[in-house]
Formats: sequence, structure tokens, C-alpha cells
Amino acid sequence: QQPVQSPQAVILREGEDAVINCSSSKALYSVHWYRQKHGEAPVFLMILLKGGEQKGHEKISASFNEKKQQSSLYLTASQLSYSGTYFCGTDGSGNTGKLIFGQGTTLQVKP
Amino acid sequence: DVKVTQSSRYLVKRTGEKVFLECVQDMDHENMFWYRQDPGLGLRLIYFSYDVKMKEKGDIPEGYSVSREKKERFSLILESASTNQTSMYLCASADSDFSYEQYFGPGTRLTVT
Repeated sequence: QQPVQSPQAVILREGEDAVINCSSSKALYSVHWYRQKHGEAPVFLMILLKGGEQKGHEKISASFNEKKQQSSLYLTASQLSYSGTYFCGTDGSGNTGKLIFGQGTTLQVKP
Repeated sequence: DVKVTQSSRYLVKRTGEKVFLECVQDMDHENMFWYRQDPGLGLRLIYFSYDVKMKEKGDIPEGYSVSREKKERFSLILESASTNQTSMYLCASADSDFSYEQYFGPGTRLTVT
């Protein structure tokens, strides 16, 4: 089943913080986060694995609560370049690469 | 830098036509994926491939087939295009360890009339 992302959309001013949540009804092995700018391909941000391992860009912060089957992406001191649509992808099958993506969260950062 | 390229950025086809979408990656990745992206639905996995000639169905394989004859190339085939297959199609590749990132191509916007 598709994970649910919240909020669906958020508008920020530069320098403000935002949290994007991803919630699944199934047990998860890993959560992947991607950002897609308008007209471009999705770009990798972070992978969070069961057991606590994380791989991703240093400036991105995220959490993974295995018990609650939830992940959150933390965007602090937002910049104009953070604008785009953020997708979480969940892998519940045990590192199969078969991701189920959420519907996306659109983030707009204004000057 | 990993490069994933797709044969066309925009494609217009007629209902009933056979459509081929091609994807090529240059990083010797074992795994390749085809997704379709529709507004409000996110990315949905159509098919993926673990290795040459290996394929596995994703969540929405109906109406599609795939071919992987060479490691670097993964093709998506619409046997008889229908209007409900109008969408953005994204290809991705990833290393053998799935805990690594997927690299996406620029996408092909297919319109079926």
C-alpha cells in the first residue's frame, strides 16, 4: 500500500524550517527520500535503513521510527533551492529495491 | 556522474500503436526500473530488472512488457497503447545493493491520442 505523506503542500519563507512526514501501514525495511524539481528527474536525498543506518547528503536530516512505520524529513533554514516535490519511497520486503512511493509533498520557498 | 538517458523527452502516439521507450545507463548497474508518474499518485513501479534477461513485475504491470538484452539498456514496451497510458515515464538504475540510491533519467512524457 502506498505510504501517506503529510502535508501535501507547504509554503515557507527563506530561513524557515519544515518537516515532511511519511507513514506506512506496513512494516518497513527502509525509507528513501527524493526531491524532484519541476521538469527534472527525482534526485536522491537519503536512505534510512532498519537498524539505524542512514546514507545520504550531509545537509539533510531525517528520522525513521521502525515501530511506528514512519519517517520524517527535516528541512532547516530553508533556501530557495529547496523548492520542489519531495517523495518518500518505502521498501517493506527486505531490501528488494521495490519501492512504493508516496504521493509527494510540494514545498515552495519564497524570498 | 551516473547518467541515465531516455530515448525521447516527448512522444505522441495513436491508440493501438506499439510503443517502445528506451533507457540506457552508463554505470554498470545491475538493477533498472520503470516507473510512471501521474499527478497526485507519485511514482508507481511498472517493472524492474535485477540482471540481463531477468525481470519482475512491479505494482502496475498490466498493459506493459519489458526487455533487457544488455546490462546497460532496459526497454519498456506498450504492446497496444491506450489513452490511459498517457503519462510521464521515468527510468532508474541502482547498484546491486538496494540500500543505495536510485538514479533517475529525465523522463519521457507520452501522450496517446
